[in-house]
Amino acid sequence: EDKVVQSPLSLVVHEGDTVTLNCSYEVTNFRSLLWYKQEKKAPTFLFMLTSSGIEKKSGRLSSILDKKELSSILNITATQTGDSAIYLCAVKSGGSNYKLTFGKGTLLTVNP
Amino acid sequence: DAMVIQNPRYQVTQFGKPVTLSCSQTLNHNVMYWYQQKSSQAPKLLFHYYDKDFNNEADTPDNFQSRRPNTSFCFLDIRSPGLGDAAMYLCATSRDRQSNQPQHFGDGTRLSIL
Repeated sequence: EDKVVQSPLSLVVHEGDTVTLNCSYEVTNFRSLLWYKQEKKAPTFLFMLTSSGIEKKSGRLSSILDKKELSSILNITATQTGDSAIYLCAVKSGGSNYKLTFGKGTLLTVNP
Repeated sequence: DAMVIQNPRYQVTQFGKPVTLSCSQTLNHNVMYWYQQKSSQAPKLLFHYYDKDFNNEADTPDNFQSRRPNTSFCFLDIRSPGLGDAAMYLCATSRDRQSNQPQHFGDGTRLSIL
């Protein structure tokens, strides 16, 4: 059974801090790894990492895929209160239905 | 400019009373998914439609059914809700299954059971 584990489960920081969120996975026939941000509504897509694109950056957010270690990190620099959310990691596996398996998420709280 | 729309945002039903959640999309995507997300847990895939082809996950209870009358709409029916079915239900779409395109989510329907 495919498995995605995120750590830490929750994190509290102050504005301006840098945070690193972790995601490790065990899936059959890895296709891609995705990061989503979930506030009190729909998960919004942040990044997708694949074998051909193992590093992505957008503003203060960046992510790296380590295919050897079967893991990924999401970095957020100079955190702001608006970064407070649940960050979900999901892995897409090949197979008959190419399903997404999600981790439980990391709850990030950024205090002013 | 919402592209995946779920109604209602909040739904309260009674134990054992059938309930239907709806999802519509303006993306013209082929695939529509339903996930169940309980507090502090990962979203769990219940089933998905690839066009008109229904794909149930092996561990989805029979109490959960789905309908997709056309490309734009998909419904989640819970025939006899139990207290354990209280959760956030997320609808998502993707253009297809195999390509590396992200799924787009609706805002979810939070279901409470009295």
